[in-house]
Amino acid sequence: QSALTQPPSASGSPGQSVTISCTGTSSDVGGYKYVSWYQQHPGKAPKLMIYEVSERPSGVPDRFSGSKSANTASLTVSGLQAEDEADYYCSSYADSNNPVVFGGGTKLTVL
Amino acid sequence: QVQLVQSGAEVKKPGASVKVSCKASGYTFTDYFVHWVRQAPGQGLEWMGRINPNTGGTKFAQRFQGRVTMTKDTSISTAYMDLSRLRSDDTAVYYCARGFSSWYGDPWGQGTLVTVSS
Repeated sequence: QSALTQPPSASGSPGQSVTISCTGTSSDVGGYKYVSWYQQHPGKAPKLMIYEVSERPSGVPDRFSGSKSANTASLTVSGLQAEDEADYYCSSYADSNNPVVFGGGTKLTVL
Repeated sequence: QVQLVQSGAEVKKPGASVKVSCKASGYTFTDYFVHWVRQAPGQGLEWMGRINPNTGGTKFAQRFQGRVTMTKDTSISTAYMDLSRLRSDDTAVYYCARGFSSWYGDPWGQGTLVTVSS
C-alpha cells in the first residue's frame, strides 16, 4: 500500500482539463513544499513534470500545473493532448524513516 | 545534455547479490545526489535511497536497511547500487536519478531490469 493516495484512473477528451489528486498527511504532503509529479509512458523511465509543488522544469509545457491545499496536492493538465496519456505519480518528502514516498500512480486516458 | 546511463539487465538466483551502475554525464557529478528507485512489474515506484557523491553519505528507506549498499566512483562519475540476499519479489526495474536537495529526481536513467529466479 502506497503512502500517498492517488485515484487509479482519470480521463478526459482532447482539449479538456483533468486534475489528479494526491493525498497524504501533515508529515509529508501537508508539512513540506517538496511535492513532485512524474509522467511515465509504458516501458519508459519516469519524467519530472512538477517539483516543489508548482514549479515546472524547463521543457515541460505550461499545460501542466501543480498546487497544494492542506494534505492534498494536485496536478492539472489543461488542453489535453493524446501524448499526455500516461501514468502519473506524485512524490513527497516525508518526516519519517522513509524520506521519499510515492503515490500508487494514476493512469490518465485521453478519450 | 544531462544523462544517466545504467548497466544492462541481470538475472540472479535467490540469495545472490546484484550491483547496478549509473554513469552520469553532462553535469558535475559531485554537485547532486543520486537517488535509486525501483518498480516491480505492473506496480508503482518505490524509493530505495540516495547517495551524496561528494561525501559518500547515504540515506536508505527503512525496508532496505542492511540489504542495500550505495557507493560511487567520482573518477568515472558513476554511482552503484548493490542489493544483497535477493528474493523473487526483488524482481523489478531499478532506476537511478539525479537528485536535488528538494528530494526530487531529474533526469532518470533508462532503468535496469533485475530478474530474480531459481
